[in-house]
Parts: sequence; C-alpha cells; structure tokens
Amino acid sequence: DAKTTQPNSMESNEEEPVHLPCNHSTISGTDYIHWYRQLPSQGPEYVIHGLTSNVNNRMASLAIAEDRKSSTLILHRATLRDAAVYYCILRDAASWGKLQFGAGTQVVVTP
Amino acid sequence: DAGVIQSPRHEVTEMGQEVTLRCKPISGHDYLFWYRQTMMRGLELLIYFNNNVPIDDSGMPEDRFSAKMPNASFSTLKIQPSEPRDSAVYFCASSPLAGQVGSDTQYFGPGTRLTVL
Repeated sequence: DAKTTQPNSMESNEEEPVHLPCNHSTISGTDYIHWYRQLPSQGPEYVIHGLTSNVNNRMASLAIAEDRKSSTLILHRATLRDAAVYYCILRDAASWGKLQFGAGTQVVVTP
Repeated sequence: DAGVIQSPRHEVTEMGQEVTLRCKPISGHDYLFWYRQTMMRGLELLIYFNNNVPIDDSGMPEDRFSAKMPNASFSTLKIQPSEPRDSAVYFCASSPLAGQVGSDTQYFGPGTRLTVL
C-alpha cells in the first residue's frame, strides 16, 4: 500500500493560514487523497479529499501537485478549534473500505 | 441524525473478563468499521462489514477478538478473555454505499475507552 509522510507537528497563530504538507511519492493512479482530523478525545472526522484537481470546501482547501506525489491541506484562518491531529490518507478506489491512518500532524494553534 | 452511537463510553475491567463493545451506525449506512487506537500503534482498522457481512477481518489481532453485525443497526466487538494490552480506544464508523451522498466519508463515533487491569 502506498504510504504518506507528514511532519510530526506544526504551530500556527490564530487567524493565520496553516499549510499542512503531505508526501506520497508512491501514489498510484487510482489512489484518492483523503484528509481527516481528530480533535482531542474525539473520533476522527472527514475534512476533504481529491484525486487530481484542487478542491475547496467549507473546512479547508486541498492543493494537489501536478505529479500527485505531494499535496497540501490549507486551513485559511486557523482558530483554536482547529487544534487537532491531521491525517493524510491514500484511499485506493479498488479497496474502497480501507483507511490506513499514519501518525498524522499535530497542529497547535496559539492565540 | 444522532451520528454513530457507541456504548459504553468507558469500560474498566480485569484481565480475563469478557468485554463487549457496542455500536449503532447511522441509519441507512451500509458499511460499518471497527478501529482501535493506541499510543504505540495509532489508529488501526480491525474489521469492516458491508450489509452486515464481514468483508475484511485481517486487522483483528487474534482469536480473542470477534465482531458481529446481526442487523443493519447494531454491531458488537467482543474480547474474550481480555488482556491488559487490549487497553485502547475503540472506534466504530459507518459509511453509505458507494455512489450515495457521503459515500467518500467515514463517520466516526465518539469511541469506547477500554482499560484492562
């Protein structure tokens, strides 16, 4: 299975943008890039996903490199409620049911 | 919808006892997943069901673990006998069928924190 690499932690000031990188150099053509986040003492929650094109939703934006070997999750204005572990996951369309979580990136937001 | 419901939220038991964790998926969802989270191993998929049928149980650690889904609105994860190394947070998640609205997303419950003494 293709794996992802993320920094262990990132720090941001409140109301500033946060750019979370993810490397996935062995990504295959059928792998979707998914992002989940886990707030303290809660279950993971879906953030965004994409295949080739950049994606936007109310929570975040996903920028995907042209060669798809990396992507960046963008939180446009970090709030204290965005402090969480963010997971970048490759999800093969063929093995649809499986989500393989890595260690993720711990985002710390300071006021 | 109330979301995925798990019970109990906390469970403390002694080594050797049987433990049963329960999950009610979101109504209408066809997929149900059981995960375990520990500091050492992170989040691991244990097993998942489609239409109440187990599809992949390759993540179940050993024969002491078993999972059932007797109907579309209920699933159990049982550990018998329990051991201290089973201490973890166990999450249940559900998802609609592929092609339906929201099918790209797994919706997680709040988890059950299990402590085996």
